[in-house]
Amino acid sequence: KQEVTQIPAALSVPEGENLVLNCSFTDSAIYNLQWFRQDPGKGLTSLLLIQSSQREQTSGRLNASLDKSSGRSTLYIAASQPGDSATYLCAVNSNDYKLSFGAGTTVTVRA
Amino acid sequence: DTAVSQTPKYLVTQMGNDKSIKCEQNLGHDTMYWYKQDSKKFLKIMFSYNNKELIINETVPNRFSPKSPDKAHLNLHINSLELGDSAVYFCASSPLGEGELFFGEGSRLTVL
Repeated sequence: KQEVTQIPAALSVPEGENLVLNCSFTDSAIYNLQWFRQDPGKGLTSLLLIQSSQREQTSGRLNASLDKSSGRSTLYIAASQPGDSATYLCAVNSNDYKLSFGAGTTVTVRA
Repeated sequence: DTAVSQTPKYLVTQMGNDKSIKCEQNLGHDTMYWYKQDSKKFLKIMFSYNNKELIINETVPNRFSPKSPDKAHLNLHINSLELGDSAVYFCASSPLGEGELFFGEGSRLTVL
């Protein structure tokens, strides 16, 4: 059974600082890994999707890396802004078509 | 145009009632899902349908019954609601079982 862990559970940084969010998973037999953002009371917005054959994906200030063999992914957010405050969720799509979610990292960017 | 839409967004009901949540996607995706997010914000898959056929059915009480009339719709019917069913239910879709997921805004169910 796939277990997904996100560390830290919460993070508070001043505006402009870079953010580093960690995700680890127990079973390396995956199709892909997806990072989502969830604002309070809202649905999930897809940020980045990394296929199992890829090492990283970039979108604007966001960069996600994947090390499948060690079961790790890291989401980097450069030059954080107050609008980046949200919960960030990591989800691993395993070979059984099930998407397993981590508990999320709640980020607060202070102005 | 909302890609994945769910109705209702909020639902408050009494224990023992039966209720339904509807989901529609206009992305042309083959696979649709229902997820439950509990009070601790943890998301867990409940069901997955591929082209109207059930492919994932997690350990969910049989009071929960999904129905997919066509590949653009996946509805969730819940019988004999219990207090523990209170949660936010999210519908999602993807082009294939291993593709990128797109989520709806969620339906917050409160059972009194």
